[in-house]
Order: sequence, then C-alpha cells, then structure tokens
Amino acid sequence: NAGVTQTPKFQVLKTGQSMTLQCAQDMNHNSMYWYRQDPGMGLRLIYYSASEGTTDKGEVPNGYNVSRLNKREFSLRLESAAPSQTSVYFCASSEGSESETQYFGPGTRLLVL
Amino acid sequence: KNQVEQSPQSLIILEGKNCTLQCNYTVSPFSNLRWYKQDTGRGPVSLTIMTFSENTKSNGRYTATLDADTKQSSLHITASQLSDSASYICVVSAWYSSASKIIFGSGTRLSIRP
Repeated sequence: NAGVTQTPKFQVLKTGQSMTLQCAQDMNHNSMYWYRQDPGMGLRLIYYSASEGTTDKGEVPNGYNVSRLNKREFSLRLESAAPSQTSVYFCASSEGSESETQYFGPGTRLLVL
Repeated sequence: KNQVEQSPQSLIILEGKNCTLQCNYTVSPFSNLRWYKQDTGRGPVSLTIMTFSENTKSNGRYTATLDADTKQSSLHITASQLSDSASYICVVSAWYSSASKIIFGSGTRLSIRP
C-alpha cells in the first residue's frame, strides 16, 4: 500500500517551459488535492477534485490546470512556468470532503529559473 | 476573515523536555481542528483531530487540547525525542451548508537537541 505517490521529486524549469506533475493514490479515495507550500506560509490549495470527473479551483489557481484522469490519478500542469511558481507542491487525498483526514504525498520541489 | 495563527514560529528544546505549541483561530463556523506533523522533506501526517465537543485528545506522547470558547488549541509534547524534530501544522475546518473549507496555519518548527 503506497498511499499517495508523486513524480517527479525534483524539477528545474526555465521560465516559459511547461510540465506536468503526476499524483496517484491507492486508497480508493474520492477526493484529491494539489497544494503549494512556500517558506513562512501555510499550505495553499491550488485545485481540488471532489470526485472522478470533477475539478474546482482553490485559493491560488492562476497559472495551473488540473486533470482528474481517473479515481486514482490527479495531475497538475504548468503551461508556462514563472519564477513565482517556484515552490514545493503536495498532492493529497481524502475519503470524503476536505475536512476529513488528508493523506499527503512526499512532495515535488520545483525551481523555475 | 478566517485565519489560523500559530506560535511560536520556531522552538528549540533539549531532548527529554516537554513543550507546548499554540494555535489560535478565527474560523467560523467551526467544524474540526487537526494537528499535522511534517518531517523535513516529507508531506504532513495527521496526529489528532478534535471536534467542537472534545477538549482533549491524545496520541502517544502528543496531547492536543481545544477551547472552542476562546478559539484556542494547544499541542503538548511530553518527553521529547529527536524524532519529534519537525514542523507542526494546525488546520481548522469550517462547515458551510453544503461544503467545507480548511485553513492551514503556517506551522511551528520544532528542533530537539541532544
């Protein structure tokens, strides 16, 4: 039982490049989330998916797109990376709503030059 | 405005000592409060969850308290160990008519010295 997995672990991009962060969970959870974590700030929600086939914007969605490929997988895409998107990105999942216990992946460290 | 504030920002204590971390919130309507532990380079892991009617919840050497009247919570760590070195994040959930919203605190970074 791997829980929540994320790839890649690290990535360096140049401004304007695009990339997709992958996330998968094997707990049969309905809800999945993407957060970013910046120094001195709390985790901020980028997008979430309450169920397969649905996605909704969180607190900081600008510059990102998501895709809930199936119940297991939830990807985050940066179409044109900017230095302000340098951050650590966490994927999480929960059985039901976001107020339930969330299980987090190990994170992806992204540096945009 | 819904906010979660944690104090102190950072704390250094000697191995074996006790410590208490604070969380004040202005989230309304309150649903539940969680404490997460985040080891360096890892994702957060849930330690405790408390609802409105609960005052105290323990998980091994971790004890969380909640005062819903003053909107304060604390996390007490007893007989600290080196493995307790981590960031501790307070997360408060609000429940609206058909949806919930969670607000993360910025965390307290705890360092345990031998």
